[in-house]
Amino acid sequence: GENVEQHPSTLSVQEGDSAVIKCTYSDSASNYFPWYKQELGKRPQLIIDIRSNVGEKKDQRIAVTLNKTAKHFSLHITETQPEDSAVYFCAARRNTNAGKSTFGDGTTLTVKP
Amino acid sequence: KAGVTQTPRYLIKTRGQQVTLSCSPISGHRSVSWYQQTPGQGLQFLFEYFSETQRNKGNFPGRFSGRQFSNSRSEMNVSTLELGDSALYLCASSLQGDYEQYFGPGTRLTVT
Repeated sequence: GENVEQHPSTLSVQEGDSAVIKCTYSDSASNYFPWYKQELGKRPQLIIDIRSNVGEKKDQRIAVTLNKTAKHFSLHITETQPEDSAVYFCAARRNTNAGKSTFGDGTTLTVKP
Repeated sequence: KAGVTQTPRYLIKTRGQQVTLSCSPISGHRSVSWYQQTPGQGLQFLFEYFSETQRNKGNFPGRFSGRQFSNSRSEMNVSTLELGDSALYLCASSLQGDYEQYFGPGTRLTVT
């Protein structure tokens, strides 16, 4: 089955710096890659996603890049703020396995003021 | 639109008992997926329902079951509870199950 590896497991940056989280997936048929942010005690929140026909997508300070050949995708957060501190999860899915996402183990991001 | 809701939010059960959790998706969403979240195993897919039919299933024992009603609300049931079933159970809804999924707040189950 699908396997998603996520690195690093913890990441600490200074406010204003950039943060990058990387994920690698195993199923070459995966075609949808969402990223979720989960604050302590709260639900995972979809923050950005990318489909396999696109190489990059941006939304304000957040961007995701996808390399289908290498089967990896990354989340980039620029100008980090303390409120960006949370656990970030990547996921992969093939649309023939509707509703079934395989998640990475999560990255705990800490932004120091 | 109202978000995904789950009830109850917290549950404490004893080993051997059974439990039923409920999930109400976003209005108009027909797909409901269930996930188990634990510190050690992360987010693990349990099953997905679409139009009252189970469409996908994860690698969980038969003690875990679910169903979906005609209004898209879904329930999951865990029978013969074990200590290892203690977890946050999250449901997520989407229009068709193919793309964006939105999570509910979860039900925190503690088995003693």
